[in-house]
Amino acid sequence: GIQVEQSPPDLILQEGANSTLRCNFSDSVNNLQWFHQNPWGQLINLFYIPSGTKQNGRLSATTVATERYSLLYISSSQTTDSGVYFCAVAGISGGSNYKLTFGKGTLLTVNP
Amino acid sequence: DAGVIQSPRHEVTEMGQEVTLRCKPISGHNSLFWYRQTMMRGLELLIYFNNNVPIDDSGMPEDRFSAKMPNASFSTLKIQPSEPRDSAVYFCASRPGQLHQPQHFGDGTRLSIL
Repeated sequence: GIQVEQSPPDLILQEGANSTLRCNFSDSVNNLQWFHQNPWGQLINLFYIPSGTKQNGRLSATTVATERYSLLYISSSQTTDSGVYFCAVAGISGGSNYKLTFGKGTLLTVNP
Repeated sequence: DAGVIQSPRHEVTEMGQEVTLRCKPISGHNSLFWYRQTMMRGLELLIYFNNNVPIDDSGMPEDRFSAKMPNASFSTLKIQPSEPRDSAVYFCASRPGQLHQPQHFGDGTRLSIL
C-alpha cells in the first residue's frame, strides 16, 4: 500500500514563530488531507489538497503531486496551534482508492 | 450544519462486556468509514460502507468486531467480547459519494477496557 512519511516528528516553537511541516507519499493520490488533532483528541480538518495551494488564515498548504509531497505552513504560531498534525492520503493505484492512509504525525508544541 | 456525530464520547467497561459505538454521518453523505487510533499503530481504517453496503472490512481485527449500517443515517461498531487490547479511540468519518471529496471525522469515542 501507499506509504506516508511526515517530518519533523516533533517541533517546539515560541509563540509568533513560523513553521513548515512536510508530508511525502509514495504513489499518486486522489485525496490528501491535513488534520490537526487537538489536546482533546478531536481531528480537525484543515485542508483537502490533492494538488495546488490553499490558504486559510495563518495556515496554508501546498501539494506538488508530481513530486509526491505536501507542505503545511503555519505562520505567527499561537499556543492553540499545539497538537499533532496528520497528513492522510488515498492512493490512486490498487482497489482501495477510498482508504485514507495516515502518517505518524508531527507533534507541535508552541510555548508562550 | 451538523457534523459527524459519535456516541458515546467516552466508554469504560470491563473485559468480556459487549461494547457498541454509534455514528450518525452527515446528511447526504453515502460513504462511511470507521477508523481506530492506537499508540502502536496510529490511525487505521477498520471498515468502509458505500450506500449502506460494507465494501471493505479487511481492517476489522477479528471476529469479535462487527459493524452494521442499517440505514443511511446510522452505523454501529460492536465489540463482543471486549478485551483490554481493544482500548483505543474509534473515529467515524463520512464523505459524499464522489471520490474526490474530503472525509469528515467525528469527535471519536475513547474506549477503555479494564
